[in-house]
Amino acid sequence: KAGVTQTPRYLIKTRGQQVTLSCSPISGHRSVSWYQQTPGQGLQFLFEYFSETQRNKGNFPGRFSGRQFSNSRSEMNVSTLELGDSALYLCASSSQTETGELFFGEGSRLTVL
Amino acid sequence: QQQVKQSPQSLIVQKGGIPIINCAYENTAFDYFPWYQQFPGKGPALLIAIRPDVSEKKEGRFTISFNKSAKQFSLHIMDSQPGDSATYFCAARISGNTPLVFGKGTRLSVIA
Repeated sequence: KAGVTQTPRYLIKTRGQQVTLSCSPISGHRSVSWYQQTPGQGLQFLFEYFSETQRNKGNFPGRFSGRQFSNSRSEMNVSTLELGDSALYLCASSSQTETGELFFGEGSRLTVL
Repeated sequence: QQQVKQSPQSLIVQKGGIPIINCAYENTAFDYFPWYQQFPGKGPALLIAIRPDVSEKKEGRFTISFNKSAKQFSLHIMDSQPGDSATYFCAARISGNTPLVFGKGTRLSVIA
């Protein structure tokens, strides 16, 4: 079974630009969550999508948005990039088990110059 | 608001030692406490998890100790090996459709 796939793995943008990151979940998983990982803050929850609907949202500004498609693939978008947005963005999928174990991809590393 | 506080931030132990990583939580509604392990260049992966109805859970060399009254839980790694060098994250959630809340992570280095 293929794992969670994230693209692109690395990207460099400049302040003010926007970026779109993509995530393909494990086959059969309908929930996709996004996390931002930085050295000082650890893993911070961005949002979760289930069956194309945003089910949970973290405390991030509106510049951060996402969506999920009917095949469960998900994208997140960050507009008007700031230097502080430089981070590893992790996508995780899960099935609807009692524990809801998260299966993470390897992440997309964004550098904002 | 940090709901799960993790310490220490980094830890260096000799091979064979027993590193201990601690976490404390505030929300008494949390009822699922997993630990994730992350190697450089990889995403985190579930290592071991516990529910508050038990005080200890062992899986191989990894043990979670849980203290419900103190709202604390910890990860112990027995006979640690250089291959255990990674970043460890504790987490907590309320069962159901709620997000997993992570601690800030502990970078463990096991030296030979």
